[in-house]
Amino acid sequence: AQTVTQSQPEMSVQEAETVTLSCTYDTSENNYYLFWYKQPPSRQMILVIRQEAYKQQNATENRFSVNFQKAAKSFSLKISDSQLGDTAMYFCAFIGAGGTSYGKLTFGQGTILTVHP
Amino acid sequence: ETGVTQSPTHLIKTRGQQVTLRCSSQSGHNTVSWYQQALGQGPQFIFQYYREEENGRGNFPPRFSGLQFPNYSSELNVNALELDDSALYLCASAQGSREATQYFGPGTRLTVL
Repeated sequence: AQTVTQSQPEMSVQEAETVTLSCTYDTSENNYYLFWYKQPPSRQMILVIRQEAYKQQNATENRFSVNFQKAAKSFSLKISDSQLGDTAMYFCAFIGAGGTSYGKLTFGQGTILTVHP
Repeated sequence: ETGVTQSPTHLIKTRGQQVTLRCSSQSGHNTVSWYQQALGQGPQFIFQYYREEENGRGNFPPRFSGLQFPNYSSELNVNALELDDSALYLCASAQGSREATQYFGPGTRLTVL
């Protein structure tokens, strides 16, 4: 079974600064995908960024980038130039590319990020 | 916005009742997954439907059941409601059962009294 762990229940950052959210996971699968989702107080789960495990290059989406360390099973999210609208709960999630886990997203416990003006 | 819609937005039921939640998938998506999110926690996978058939199930009892229709919309049915069923229920759609990326709807908040 896969597990995803987010060890930071809460984080805060000043507007325009950079913050990094941590995530570790455990799996025996070799092919999988990792995601960061954002859930604002409005509760809609929004996809932030996706990483394929077979790609060594770290994914980037505008101000959001990841540090994917496959051997260490670590997948952190860096938010640059933080904005007030980044305030939300952030979830790290895993999905296998085959076997019994396919189709099932496994989520971490979440990190509440607050951006202060 | 993802194009995934859910209804109703909120629902209040009493213990022992039955409830049906609805989800319309994003255009072009034929796979729908359902998740239960308790307050302050990450979502838990309930099951996935692909082409009108259950395609995978999480650790939920049989009183959680679902349907998918020919237009790929889906229903989640919960029988014999328990207090612990109070949660946000999220549906997510994907472009095929082997597509990893899922797009979520806004959720239905169910309260069981």
